[in-house]
Amino acid sequence: AQSVSQHNHHVILSEAASLELGCNYSYGGTVNLFWYVQYPGQHLQLLLKYFSGDPLVKGIKGFEAEFIKSKFSFNLRKPSVQWSDTAEYFCAVKTSSNTGKLIFGQGTTLQVKP
Amino acid sequence: DGGITQSPKYLFRKEGQNVTLSCEQNLNHDAMYWYRQDPGQGLRLIYYSQIVNDFQKGDIAEGYSVSREKKESFPLTVTSAQKNPTAFYLCASRGRTAMNTEAFFGQGTRLTVV
Repeated sequence: AQSVSQHNHHVILSEAASLELGCNYSYGGTVNLFWYVQYPGQHLQLLLKYFSGDPLVKGIKGFEAEFIKSKFSFNLRKPSVQWSDTAEYFCAVKTSSNTGKLIFGQGTTLQVKP
Repeated sequence: DGGITQSPKYLFRKEGQNVTLSCEQNLNHDAMYWYRQDPGQGLRLIYYSQIVNDFQKGDIAEGYSVSREKKESFPLTVTSAQKNPTAFYLCASRGRTAMNTEAFFGQGTRLTVV
């Protein structure tokens, strides 16, 4: 069965530190990949997405992610975090199969200390 | 404005009662999804639908039921058979299934069994 794994469950950083959140998926075919963010008290919002082409994708608020097909990974990065980045981050995968299933990881809670 | 509306925002239910959560979208999206969000477990897929009058079970469908009689509506019923229904429920929709599109989320419904 397809699955998505986020390795870091809770990350605490100081402002200006660099961020990398891991995401691995299990599916051998073509995938669409997403990172969503949920700020406290708000609904899920799309940070960035990968469908095809350049494996390094840039999203909103200075976030980027790199798709490494050989490693089945789609890690999220940001060079310098801000206090306002405190949120929960979810990696998601949509497989190319006709089922249309969209699967999420367990989520990573990021706490940025001012 | 286009979007996804979930109602109510908070819902209380007595044990043994069925309850229906509403999800409506005016984005003309084909696919709709129901997820359950629990701390540390991310978003788990309950049911999804790619087209009117058709839906599939997700990973945790037991104790839940859905219908898709209209394109814009995908209500979720939490039945008395669901052993642990207290959770945050999220509805999402997505554009044409065959195309590369991201999912959009509603604000969620927090269900508490009392």
